[in-house]
Amino acid sequence: RKEVEQDPGPFNVPEGATVAFNCTYSNSASQSFFWYRQDCRKEPKLLMSVYSSGNEDGRFTAQLNRASQYISLLIRDSKLSDSATYLCVVTRVYNQGGKLIFGQGTELSVKP
Amino acid sequence: EAQVTQNPRYLITVTGKKLTVTCSQNMNHEYMSWYRQDPGLGLRQIYYSMNVEVTDKGDVPEGYKVSRKEKRNFPLILESPSPNQTSLYFCASKTGTEIYNEQFFGPGTRLTVL
Repeated sequence: RKEVEQDPGPFNVPEGATVAFNCTYSNSASQSFFWYRQDCRKEPKLLMSVYSSGNEDGRFTAQLNRASQYISLLIRDSKLSDSATYLCVVTRVYNQGGKLIFGQGTELSVKP
Repeated sequence: EAQVTQNPRYLITVTGKKLTVTCSQNMNHEYMSWYRQDPGLGLRQIYYSMNVEVTDKGDVPEGYKVSRKEKRNFPLILESPSPNQTSLYFCASKTGTEIYNEQFFGPGTRLTVL
């Protein structure tokens, strides 16, 4: 079983839709959580960190449930430019200085 | 412009021919790392470096070497490449070693070993 698992994709949604991505992690020592975005095999870029209290950045909302070891990302009012692969990422304390542990990613395609 | 650069961006080579992929960052970051990305497996760490002259293995180090003689550079060396090292490679860097610091990735090197 992979340490970080994500919803299989692809997600095909119309512009303006709300879409939610889910992610689970298996190691309870996981300490920091992130969503990265990757466009068409380009480099991953940090979308947002995920905090225990949940956090929002414009149309994007991230939630963390430590008890269930579950992370989510909600995108409201989807834009064509949101089309990308979304990577769920965790790190562990004292784990190789901050090795990023990636999920396989969920592909999102927003259609006109 | 703050960035991580990698060269070459694309490379096709043959089994056994030594190659080096360079990585350089201009952000004075202490931490640098190499990842490979493969379909169905996601990104996995190959090697990392916490600072100059300090390197260590990641999850998939076999067949690779690294060095960190200067803070800004972290080359990845394949002494005898094999077809199973065909992959998309990313170099990354971040300031300090705190796990919550953002990692910045280079544009990637697409390597094909025939």
